[in-house]
Amino acid sequence: QKEVEQNSGPLSVPEGAIASLNCTYSDRVSQSFFWYRQYSGKSPELIMSIYSNGDKEDGRFTAQLNKASQYVSLLIRDSQPSDSATYLCAVNYGGGANSKLTFGKGITLSVRP
Amino acid sequence: EPEVTQTPSHQVTQMGQEVILRCVPISNHLYFYWYRQILGQKVEFLVSFYNNEISEKSEIFDDQFSVERPDGSNFTLKIRSTKLEDSAMYFCASSDARGPAVSPLHFGNGTRLTVT
Repeated sequence: QKEVEQNSGPLSVPEGAIASLNCTYSDRVSQSFFWYRQYSGKSPELIMSIYSNGDKEDGRFTAQLNKASQYVSLLIRDSQPSDSATYLCAVNYGGGANSKLTFGKGITLSVRP
Repeated sequence: EPEVTQTPSHQVTQMGQEVILRCVPISNHLYFYWYRQILGQKVEFLVSFYNNEISEKSEIFDDQFSVERPDGSNFTLKIRSTKLEDSAMYFCASSDARGPAVSPLHFGNGTRLTVT
């Protein structure tokens, strides 16, 4: 069973702080990793994708991938109240048309004004 | 920006009835998916569809479920005889020709199915 674990949370940070969200996955051969944001009652919305080891930055968001440790994280700098949502880590398992995106249970982030 | 559209936004049905959930994926996308999310739980994969056939399905996707792409734009999920435990938010998603290993999934707004 391919797993995506998001065991920390819920997370509460003050406005302007850095929020750090972590995720581990079980299949060492996975090649693509995604962070989605989901507001209550809404659909998942893509924030970041990352495919190679290291950091990838997009505005206030930085995704970090360590394939040796099977670990992917998301940092949100200068957190805003509008960042309050559930953040879903997703890992692509399998190959070609048979690959499928598997989601973690999510981490709920609350940014206090 | 192109988006995945789903109808209806909310469907209420009685146990044992058939429902069809409809989706219009992004027009140049080739890979299509259905996911579901029971209230308070994780987003779960149901089925993927490529080249007019199912490419992968989960244990949840049993004989009561079917998918179809009846024309060049629609993608449907049918539940033949609904059960109470089918109550969930159902999300349609699509990805482009690069394939799901590289191309992110774009999700529709979902259909909330309530089985009474």
